[in-house]
Amino acid sequence: GAGVSQSPSNKVTEKGKDVELRCDPISGHTALYWYRQSLGQGLEFLIYFQGNSAPDKSGLPSDRFSAERTGGSVSTLTIQRTQQEDSAVYLCASSLGPGSYEQYFGPGTRLTVT
Amino acid sequence: AQSVTQLGSHVSVSEGALVLLRCNYSSSVPPYLFWYVQYPNQGLQLLLKYTSAATLVKGINGFEAEFKKSETSFHLTKPSAHMSDAAEYFCAVSDRGPGTYKYIFGTGTRLKVLA
Repeated sequence: GAGVSQSPSNKVTEKGKDVELRCDPISGHTALYWYRQSLGQGLEFLIYFQGNSAPDKSGLPSDRFSAERTGGSVSTLTIQRTQQEDSAVYLCASSLGPGSYEQYFGPGTRLTVT
Repeated sequence: AQSVTQLGSHVSVSEGALVLLRCNYSSSVPPYLFWYVQYPNQGLQLLLKYTSAATLVKGINGFEAEFKKSETSFHLTKPSAHMSDAAEYFCAVSDRGPGTYKYIFGTGTRLKVLA
């Protein structure tokens, strides 16, 4: 079946611009997660959605970062006024729900801020 | 708070040799543990998981891991390395705190397989 998909696969943007990253989870998965993977920081949690609610936003690094999820499906991660330190691979994962701990990961979006 | 330590950021083995990748965890609750593999320019693929059932867990591609509570370890092994096993491996613990099920990842181990 279809896995988690993310778009775009690559994004190059200028410092100060806003970017939107999209995640399409596996159909029927109610839980959705965003992580960031960078050379200096490894794999870091950003935000967790259960349905359209985000009970855990503790990993968002600043108020420039926000995310939403609509219809219990697609999620968008928005970074405003991008900085060079935002350059990383942004990974999305989904799971059946809070009772299922196995997360399925998408291929990621590589963001480069110039 | 939960945490994961992976000893050895780089491991090299000869083709056909035993693979051993180390993972130690810290958890205030019975842990749920995972091993993922990441091939270049790809996302993470689940190898195996431990969720409080059998302590010896078998996964895909011939990998297995043993949960040892007394040693707080969840090391990943494979009896005979194959060239296709070259990748980066991540150990993770599920942080089952109130209102969250996020993963806490180790820093990863890059496995190199020598011909």
